[in-house]
Amino acid sequence: DGGITQSPKYLFRKEGQNVTLSCEQNLNHDAMYWYRQDPGQGLRLIYYSQIVNDFQKGDIAEGYSVSREKKESFPLTVTSAQKNPTAFYLCATSGQNYGYTFGSGTRLTVV
Amino acid sequence: GDSVTQMEGPVTLSEEAFLTINCTYTATGYPSLFWYVQYPGEGLQLLLKATKADDKGSNKGFEATYRKETTSFHLEKGSVQVSDSAVYFCALSENSGGSNYKLTFGKGTLLTVNP
Repeated sequence: DGGITQSPKYLFRKEGQNVTLSCEQNLNHDAMYWYRQDPGQGLRLIYYSQIVNDFQKGDIAEGYSVSREKKESFPLTVTSAQKNPTAFYLCATSGQNYGYTFGSGTRLTVV
Repeated sequence: GDSVTQMEGPVTLSEEAFLTINCTYTATGYPSLFWYVQYPGEGLQLLLKATKADDKGSNKGFEATYRKETTSFHLEKGSVQVSDSAVYFCALSENSGGSNYKLTFGKGTLLTVNP
């Protein structure tokens, strides 16, 4: 089945540590996105990529970095510069049917 | 910029009750409109969509009509079930086509349906 795989499902980060969240898709979609979800705040766009080797900042990119070396993969690194990283992170792709497809998410907690 | 305002939750209903979740939007052009649903611990799933004024999106008993004159896209269901308990997000996209576009989301409305 085609879909999006996010891993790990749960991730714990120590203060000052960088962590990388994985997002892999086999839908052959060009565009990929990272959103952050906090209670009562909805979804906020971190980064997005419309094509391999190109990506743009979203609304809350500070403290995050991404790469897009392959069409199938769009990893997100949460750096130590992100002061409040505890959140639920969602990866998505978009295709021709006007809809996003979402992964099942990674819950990141600072310990 | 674009924005989506949806009804503050939480909303608690009894099974078989009528559901309305209000959603209004602000956009510079002619956006496409969406409702997404998120079940606990999962990602979002597309529930329904409408791409132009007066279109009605429908799925699983849920409906929403794209009202350009009131800039609204209210979600309705005639008879909710316990399994409908979830968070519902209204969203819009300014792009008119193609596969690359950004969605702007509302803050979500938590619906709880009691038996």
